[in-house]
Amino acid sequence: GENVEQHPSTLSVQEGDSAVIKCTYSDSASNYFPWYKQELGKRPQLIIDIRSNVGEKKDQRIAVTLNKTAKHFSLHITETQPEDSAVYFCAASISQGDYKLSFGAGTTVTVRA
Amino acid sequence: DAMVIQNPRYQVTQFGKPVTLSCSQTLNHNVMYWYQQKSSQAPKLLFHYYDKDFNNEADTPDNFQSRRPNTSFCFLDIRSPGLGDTAMYLCATSRVSGFSYEQYFGPGTRLTVT
Repeated sequence: GENVEQHPSTLSVQEGDSAVIKCTYSDSASNYFPWYKQELGKRPQLIIDIRSNVGEKKDQRIAVTLNKTAKHFSLHITETQPEDSAVYFCAASISQGDYKLSFGAGTTVTVRA
Repeated sequence: DAMVIQNPRYQVTQFGKPVTLSCSQTLNHNVMYWYQQKSSQAPKLLFHYYDKDFNNEADTPDNFQSRRPNTSFCFLDIRSPGLGDTAMYLCATSRVSGFSYEQYFGPGTRLTVT
């Protein structure tokens, strides 16, 4: 099955700086890569996703890049704010496969004011 | 605007006493998932339904069962909860069509086994 590794496990940044989280996946057939944000005690929420036919996608302060050859994808958060503090999970799946997401272990991001 | 609803939000049960968690959705999605999430860990898939087809993960304990009586509802039954089953249980749904499918998570049920 798919194996997703996520780094770092914790990340502390100064408010206004950028944060980068990296994930690698093992199954070259994976073609859908969502990122979820989970605040303490709340549900995971999708913040951005990318399909394998796209190399980069941006949504305001958040961007995701995908390198299919190297089988890795990254989340970039610019101009971090205290409300960006949360746990972030990357995931990978094979569309039209078994409809399951393989999650990374998560990154706890703390934005220092 | 609740789309995936879970009840109860908090449940305390005794060791070995059966418990049922419920999930309902207003999205008319064809796939429903149950995850177990322990503190500081990623959600762990227990099983999912694609329409009425049930798909169990290989490492899901036999103690955990599920029912989906119709498109909108799905239940998680824990027949004999152990202390290690204390966790957040998340229900999620998705509409499988095309190239990608977002999973919408419910707020979760925090289960404590005493």
